[in-house]
Amino acid sequence: GIQVEQSPPDLILQEGANSTLRCNFSDSVNNLQWFHQNPWGQLINLFYIPSGTKQNGRLSATTVATERYSLLYISSSQTTDSGVYFCAVGLGNTDKLIFGTGTRLQVFP
Amino acid sequence: NAGVTQTPKFRVLKTGQSMTLLCAQDMNHEYMYWYRQDPGMGLRLIHYSVGEGTTAKGEVPDGYNVSRLKKQNFLLGLESAAPSQTSVYFCASSYFWGTEAFFGQGTRLTVV
Repeated sequence: GIQVEQSPPDLILQEGANSTLRCNFSDSVNNLQWFHQNPWGQLINLFYIPSGTKQNGRLSATTVATERYSLLYISSSQTTDSGVYFCAVGLGNTDKLIFGTGTRLQVFP
Repeated sequence: NAGVTQTPKFRVLKTGQSMTLLCAQDMNHEYMYWYRQDPGMGLRLIHYSVGEGTTAKGEVPDGYNVSRLKKQNFLLGLESAAPSQTSVYFCASSYFWGTEAFFGQGTRLTVV
């Protein structure tokens, strides 16, 4: 089956720092989403980005489908950015959405 | 709109008991999914449905059954709960394959 790998697994930042999270996948995808799971366990949609670049405030994401990776950029990080960031991919010929193992981000004041 | 709503939010079961988790969506989505999340891990797909009256197995279907009798509802059943089924369960829905999926708030299930 498809492999979805996220790096780094853990990231510790001081408030105000920038960071880049990476998601590599092993097969063609028709869907890619980034989620933030906050400390209360809620899964929050960040981006639906099967290809191209999107920005939303301090966050932006880029997916290069032909090279099978996606990047999530967080600029000027805040303590409220803490949590786990997941990417999830949908395969080109199936209906399933498969999750990576996540990047745990801790932002300290 | 409520989006995706899961019932209940918390539950404690004894080994061998049965229960049903309810997922309801009000976005007229065709696709619905049940995932489980274990500590320190990502979400793993249990079962999913591509439309009313359909169900299909995901990555970890054993010990679970599902039904999609109405388009807006997707039920996850545990016939005989086991401690290994202690987990947080998430439901999700999407309009069609390849489109954005939206998640419920999760159900924390403990089997003792």
